[in-house]
Amino acid sequence: QVQLQESGPGLVKPSETLSLTCTVSGGSISSYYWSWIRQPPGKGLEWIGYFYYSGSTNYNPSLKSRVTLSVDTSKNQFSLKLSSVTAADTAVYYCVRAEAFDIWGQGTMVTVSS
Amino acid sequence: QSALTQPASVSGSPGQSITISCTGTSSDVGGYIYVSWYQQHPGKAPKLMIYEVSNRPSGVSNRFSGSKSGNTASLTISGLQAEDEADYYCSSYTSRSTVLFGGGTKLTVL
Repeated sequence: QVQLQESGPGLVKPSETLSLTCTVSGGSISSYYWSWIRQPPGKGLEWIGYFYYSGSTNYNPSLKSRVTLSVDTSKNQFSLKLSSVTAADTAVYYCVRAEAFDIWGQGTMVTVSS
Repeated sequence: QSALTQPASVSGSPGQSITISCTGTSSDVGGYIYVSWYQQHPGKAPKLMIYEVSNRPSGVSNRFSGSKSGNTASLTISGLQAEDEADYYCSSYTSRSTVLFGGGTKLTVL
């Protein structure tokens, strides 16, 4: 069955760029939409954006100016870049298959701190 | 865009039924069938429980059901069990081709 695994630094300095990668195993990244969703400590879920493997993307308007989603079909991976981070971007970041968000990665905690 | 509105908490005794509401607008919950519900236990990733308003993924207990009326969607859990104690979130597709989540509801099984 399809499994997702996030990877990337757990600590990012303020004003720098947060970069995470999601590796898809057990299935192809093609033919589906994929998303990133985050959850600040003790708070609710926030949708960051989604993309289709062919390149179509859409972002949360509140994050749009700072977010870039990309895909590497040869590696069956997709990535998130969030620029100019602040402490408010501290959260668990999940990569998710965007078919009603039916498959989730385990999540990776990213802390923004100097 | 504002988050969908959910009650902060609900509770029920084992065996009882509870309902969690999720209120939006005609631009999200009221306008699309793409309303979903997720269960999240502490320290775990969310799990899809209901999609497209009332459909259950394979493996989800039929004690979980979903419905929608106007701009409000609902999740009903019947025959409450201790393992149902968790946080529950709704989500909806929107007219801007984005996704909104509810603020989450903490379910306590008494």
